[in-house]
Amino acid sequence: DGGITQSPKYLFRKEGQNVTLSCEQNLNHDAMYWYRQDPGQGLRLIYYSQIVNDFQKGDIAEGYSVSREKKESFPLTVTSAQKNPTAFYLCASSAGTGYQETQYFGPGTRLLVL
Amino acid sequence: SQQGEEDPQALSIQEGENATMNCSYKTSINNLQWYRQNSGRGLVHLILIRSNEREKHSGRLRVTLDTSKKSSSLLITASRAADTASYFCATARTGSARQLTFGSGTQLTVLP
Repeated sequence: DGGITQSPKYLFRKEGQNVTLSCEQNLNHDAMYWYRQDPGQGLRLIYYSQIVNDFQKGDIAEGYSVSREKKESFPLTVTSAQKNPTAFYLCASSAGTGYQETQYFGPGTRLLVL
Repeated sequence: SQQGEEDPQALSIQEGENATMNCSYKTSINNLQWYRQNSGRGLVHLILIRSNEREKHSGRLRVTLDTSKKSSSLLITASRAADTASYFCATARTGSARQLTFGSGTQLTVLP
């Protein structure tokens, strides 16, 4: 899982509640990403950030929000507008310096709805 | 959108056998990458092949890329029980190289 940490490992959300997933990296990477993984499926991109104070929507950004105030941190908030939030959430980072980059993943956070 | 599609969805082999997984994609790409995921864990990068490369090796892994057919294959030779995992291909599309599009994966089970 390299130098990327995600917390918590499990997170429970009540109806109408916003929850925030943490992602921290010590790899000095410029780019960071959030993915959602549903059972038996591949990863879908929620948001990504190529540099501090800048981020772009991915394929499934509705109901999610992010911030990138520090290079090391890229928290994801799952808002009450996300009606089906139960999934495995993965954070990743890459160096952000070229076009043949690999991504390094954290261990993931599993979000469950009560 | 799921650009890459892996085939087969599940594969079960005996230890020592070779495992081959295939990936097809739809648009022009900058590179194609293969990742591995153990159950309930994050993904680990295995190998990257550029659009102008046809074959690449890394240890027991061999990857091929056919851009005319928009397909790639991952071969794991002399498989081990520890190779049991899900394997995903991911494509970096031309013009948006940092955005990877993942397939739905192949679940490989290696029986001891």
